[in-house]
Amino acid sequence: GIQVEQSPPDLILQEGANSTLRCNFSDSVNNLQWFHQNPWGQLINLFYIPSGTKQNGRLSATTVATERYSLLYISSSQTTDSGVYFCAVEQVNYGGSQGNLIFGKGTKLSVKP
Amino acid sequence: KAGVTQTPRYLIKTRGQQVTLSCSPISGHRSVSWYQQTPGQGLQFLFEYFSETQRNKGNFPGRFSGRQFSNSRSEMNVSTLELGDSALYLCASSLQGYIQYFGAGTRLSVL
Repeated sequence: GIQVEQSPPDLILQEGANSTLRCNFSDSVNNLQWFHQNPWGQLINLFYIPSGTKQNGRLSATTVATERYSLLYISSSQTTDSGVYFCAVEQVNYGGSQGNLIFGKGTKLSVKP
Repeated sequence: KAGVTQTPRYLIKTRGQQVTLSCSPISGHRSVSWYQQTPGQGLQFLFEYFSETQRNKGNFPGRFSGRQFSNSRSEMNVSTLELGDSALYLCASSLQGYIQYFGAGTRLSVL
């Protein structure tokens, strides 16, 4: 099956710093999402981005599908950005999505005041 | 629009018991997926239902089962609980499987 690798596994930043999180995947995908898991365990949608670039406030994401990687950029980080960031993909299925996301192990981000 | 609702939020069971978890999707969503999250294995896909049919199943033993009702609400059942079943169980809903929205999860502890 498809493999998803996220780096770095842990990241500690000072408030105000910028960061880049990376997600590599081993096969073609038709679905790629970035999530932030809050301290209570809920996964919050950040981006649906199987290809291209999107921006939402201080966050942006880029997926280069032909090279099988995606990047999540966090600018001017805040303490509330702390938590675990997951990349999740679904392998190409010509019958359409079947709701089967494969998750990476996540990047644990700690933003210090 | 209300989000994905999972009940109960917390559950404590003993080995050998069975448990049923419930998930109410976002209104209009017909796909419901279930995931298990543990510190050791991370987030793993359990199964997905679309219009009351299981379309996809992960690599879990037959003790894990689910169903979906005509109103798209879904339940998952774990029979003969083992200590290793202690986990956060998350469900997600989507229109047709692509953009998934997650509930707050049910934290199951097996003693």
